[in-house]
Amino acid sequence: QLQLQESGPGLVKPSETLSLTCTVSGGSISSSSYYWDWMRRPPGKGLEWIGSVYYTGSTYYNPSLKSRVIISVDTSKNQFSVKLSSVTAADTAVYYCARRVGSRTFDIWGQGTMVTVSS
Amino acid sequence: DIQMTQSPSFVSASVGDRVTITCRASQGISSWLAWYQQKPGKAPKLLIYAASSLQSGVPSRFSGSGSGTDFTLTISSLQPEDFATYCCQQANSFPYTFGQGTKLEIK
Repeated sequence: QLQLQESGPGLVKPSETLSLTCTVSGGSISSSSYYWDWMRRPPGKGLEWIGSVYYTGSTYYNPSLKSRVIISVDTSKNQFSVKLSSVTAADTAVYYCARRVGSRTFDIWGQGTMVTVSS
Repeated sequence: DIQMTQSPSFVSASVGDRVTITCRASQGISSWLAWYQQKPGKAPKLLIYAASSLQSGVPSRFSGSGSGTDFTLTISSLQPEDFATYCCQQANSFPYTFGQGTKLEIK
């Protein structure tokens, strides 16, 4: 059974870069059927789609974050990652990785990881 | 961006009740809509995709309907495990966007 697990620092200082990795287990990230996405939920707010990556490395980003975000894939490690630069308190959120399927919905999610931006 | 507006934000109901949650898109999205359930500390769970298709393993008491701009999620007979937060997601175009969520509480 496919599982996703986020990992990375839970505390990031303002103006620094947030870096998270999602490890895919129980299946291959190199499947041509899926995209691999990142979302986040700030405290008290709804989910926000950050962006996605295909196993070939092609990416799509939310325009609201595009200038600060990079999503990449490492097929040899069955992982994909997100980097968000110049973070502020507004980037404090639970970050989720997920698999996106043909219906353009997210059928498998990681448990989420809380990232706090604070000095 | 397409804005997704859910109503109500909170609903209080009892086991066995029928509950309907609505989601409105700021522009037409055909049937590109999904519903998710989320419990505290857990990942969201896909319930419905393509507006009315039930995700594998989801109980049949959950159903979705609608197209264009107006959509509904119905739970026909609430069970104790259904008390959670529900949100919609438009899958019509980038950037994908979500509703703010509806918290379903026990009366």
